[in-house]
Amino acid sequence: QVQLQESGPGLVKPSETLALTCTVSGGSISSYYWSWIRQPPGKGLEWIGYVYYDGRTNYNPSLKSRVTISVDTSKKQFSVKLSSVTAADTAVFYCARGGGDHYNHYTMDVWGQGTTVTVSS
Amino acid sequence: EIVLTQSPATLSLSPGERVTLSCRASQSVSSYLAWYQQKHGQAPRLLIYDASNRATGIPARFSGSGSGTDFTLTISSLEPEDFAVYYCQQRSSWPTFGQGTRLEIK
Repeated sequence: QVQLQESGPGLVKPSETLALTCTVSGGSISSYYWSWIRQPPGKGLEWIGYVYYDGRTNYNPSLKSRVTISVDTSKKQFSVKLSSVTAADTAVFYCARGGGDHYNHYTMDVWGQGTTVTVSS
Repeated sequence: EIVLTQSPATLSLSPGERVTLSCRASQSVSSYLAWYQQKHGQAPRLLIYDASNRATGIPARFSGSGSGTDFTLTISSLEPEDFAVYYCQQRSSWPTFGQGTRLEIK
């Protein structure tokens, strides 16, 4: 059974770059689309972007100028970097899987447990 | 950006009752709509994809319908574990989510 686990700093200073990694276990990283989604405290979900296993990416237009998502298939990991963060970027960040044989690349069937990132000095 | 509006914001019901949640899109998304369930402190869980298809392992009491701009998620008989927040998500363009409907125990 595929499992995803987010990791990275829980506290980031304003104007710095947030960086998180998601590790895939129990299944293949190939042939899937790997997304990042965030959820500010008490609010709804926002899709950040995805990376395909071959490195192709697609981003939320509202975040595109600040986001980079990459994949390392040898480590079965994918990562997100969000630059110039402010307090408004404080959120729980989830990684998730889309695509495969059954689902479209934007339909996310496996999610990590989430990691909280706070932006504060 | 395609905006999804969910209604109502909160519903208070009892186990065993039938419930219908609504999701309206600001423009047509064809049948490219999914529903997720999120319990407190947990990640979202995919329930329904492409408007009416149950995801793997989802009980038959969950059903989805709709196309174009108007969609519904129905739970035929509420179980105690169904009390959670439900989100719709479209994939007609880059993904956006509704603001959620909270289903609470009456």
